[in-house]
Amino acid sequence: QMQLQESGPGLVKPSETLSLTCVVSGDSISSYYWNWIRQSPVKGLEWIGYIYYRGNTQYNPSLKSRVTISIDTSRTQFSLRLTSVTAADTAMYYCARAPNTALEFWGQGLLVTVSS
Amino acid sequence: QFLLTQPPSVSGAPGQRVTISCTGSSSNIGSGHDVHWYQQVPGSAPKVIIIDNSRRPSGVPDRFSGSKSDTSASLAISGLQAEDEADYYCHSFDSSLRGSAFGGGTKLTVL
Repeated sequence: QMQLQESGPGLVKPSETLSLTCVVSGDSISSYYWNWIRQSPVKGLEWIGYIYYRGNTQYNPSLKSRVTISIDTSRTQFSLRLTSVTAADTAMYYCARAPNTALEFWGQGLLVTVSS
Repeated sequence: QFLLTQPPSVSGAPGQRVTISCTGSSSNIGSGHDVHWYQQVPGSAPKVIIIDNSRRPSGVPDRFSGSKSDTSASLAISGLQAEDEADYYCHSFDSSLRGSAFGGGTKLTVL
């Protein structure tokens, strides 16, 4: 059964870099678009970006200068890196799989708090 | 703030039918991009319940239906049940973002 699992630190200091990983199990990481989405009470659901299994990426223009998404097909995982974080980056972070545009499978989410 | 506009809340009694609207623009729904709908119960990740405007994934009851017209879409839930109480989000591709746009979410209360 297809599963996605986010992992990473739940607390990040302001100005530092947030790094999260999403492990894919139960299906191949080949094909599909692999997405990162975050959710906060203020901004609701916000798309961060995606990476296609071949390595092509697309990022939300509002975050583009700070975001990098990478993929490791041999380890069936993909990662998010967000630099220079502030309190506004505090959110629940989800990874999700999309065959085209619909987000078919989601991870359970990881709460990341930015605080000193 | 959101590229897709939804009403903040809707409500209905058990057994009734409710609809949730999602209004977009020429850069998303109006460009012909498909609309998807998600259900989110507190403490859980969103779960897709309508794909490509009107298709139900396996396991989603046929009480849920979706439609799309011009620059808007709708989610209808008939025969309301207590378990349907949740937040619902619409989602579409946006040409200006070159990625996903979400609605602000609609809280469904079953009276």
